[in-house]
Amino acid sequence: DAKTTQPNSMESNEEEPVHLPCNHSTISGTDYIHWYRQLPSQGPEYVIHGLTSNVNNRMASLAIAEDRKSSTLILHRATLRDAAVYYCILRSGGSYIPTFGRGTSLIVHP
Amino acid sequence: DAGVTQSPTHLIKTRGQQVTLRCSPKSGHDTVSWYQQALGQGPQFIFQYYEEEERQRGNFPDRFSGHQFPNYSSELNVNALLLGDSALYLCASSSPGQGRDGYTFGSGTRLTVV
Repeated sequence: DAKTTQPNSMESNEEEPVHLPCNHSTISGTDYIHWYRQLPSQGPEYVIHGLTSNVNNRMASLAIAEDRKSSTLILHRATLRDAAVYYCILRSGGSYIPTFGRGTSLIVHP
Repeated sequence: DAGVTQSPTHLIKTRGQQVTLRCSPKSGHDTVSWYQQALGQGPQFIFQYYEEEERQRGNFPDRFSGHQFPNYSSELNVNALLLGDSALYLCASSSPGQGRDGYTFGSGTRLTVV
């Protein structure tokens, strides 16, 4: 699987937007970009995924660069419950096994 | 609709012992994957079961084995426990056609080896 690079940690204030970056310069044309998050004492939770176009769902938005070498997960209004580790993952090939790095630990201040 | 259920939630074992962890997948899912997560690290893939067979395996020794039952539930067995096996063990379920949309994870079993 192609590798992703994320900052170790980021901080935000409650009710402000948060932009979590992910670099994936070796992405192939058929790789989907997936995001998961892991709240304390819980398993990872699927957030969103995309291929080329920007995507929105009830949890977040995903902005994908035109060259697809980077993407950004956008939380429009951070809440204390959004404090978690966020993982950016590439789905490659026909067999999709999420391969996790260390992710970005998001700290949300009240 | 229940998600992925894992049992037990916590477990303490002694070095050299054997342990069995259990997982019930989300309703409608037929594929189960197991992960090991050490403190401060991301989850590491152990293996995946589909149609009662191990389909893929990560870089884990043979001490780690598994099983999938006809009702799609699964067990993870670890023999000859080492202190380094202490971790959070996560089960994730999916369906082949829905793998691209994401996996559903359980809350995990916290294993402590003393």
